[in-house]
Amino acid sequence: AQSVAQPEDQVNVAEGNPLTVKCTYSVSGNPYLFWYVQYPNRGLQFLLKYITGDNLVKGSYGFEAEFNKSQTSFHLKKPSALVSDSALYFCAPLDMGRRALTFGSGTRLQVQP
Amino acid sequence: DTAVSQTPKYLVTQMGNDKSIKCEQNLGHDTMYWYKQDSKKFLKIMFSYNNKELIINETVPNRFSPKSPDKAHLNLHINSLELGDSAVYFCASSQAEGGELFFGEGSRLTVL
Repeated sequence: AQSVAQPEDQVNVAEGNPLTVKCTYSVSGNPYLFWYVQYPNRGLQFLLKYITGDNLVKGSYGFEAEFNKSQTSFHLKKPSALVSDSALYFCAPLDMGRRALTFGSGTRLQVQP
Repeated sequence: DTAVSQTPKYLVTQMGNDKSIKCEQNLGHDTMYWYKQDSKKFLKIMFSYNNKELIINETVPNRFSPKSPDKAHLNLHINSLELGDSAVYFCASSQAEGGELFFGEGSRLTVL
């Protein structure tokens, strides 16, 4: 069965500091992994995805994610956080059987000025 | 132009009523979905349609009935609403099954 874990309900970081939002996954076969962001009272927006190739994936708004097969992780990172990055972030593996993304409850990122 | 649009954005109703949420996408995508986000922000898939054909039907009460009149529309009808149905319902679409999702802005349903 597919599953995803984001171990932190909330991550707090000061503006200008690097940020990491953690994600570990459990999938059968090769993983297809996605990150989405949800701003308050909005729908989810695509940030980036890993399908194959380079383990470091670059996405929107300066975000990147590192795929680590041995640790089954796909952590989201940004070198310098902005207050406007404050939002809810979802890691989502693709459930190959159902051909649909599996979400959890996300991680709330709070960037303090 | 909004890519995936849902109406209404807010819906407040009494227990036992029947209500519908409509969704339209103008992206030319083949696959559409309904997701439910609960008060803890947990996001769970309910249904998916590919070119008007039902693909995913999760363990959802049969009071929930999706309808896809064409591949650009996926509506959600809910009968006999219960308090536990209160949530934000998101419509999404993708070019193909399992592809990148494009979400609507959500429809917040409150059942009193």
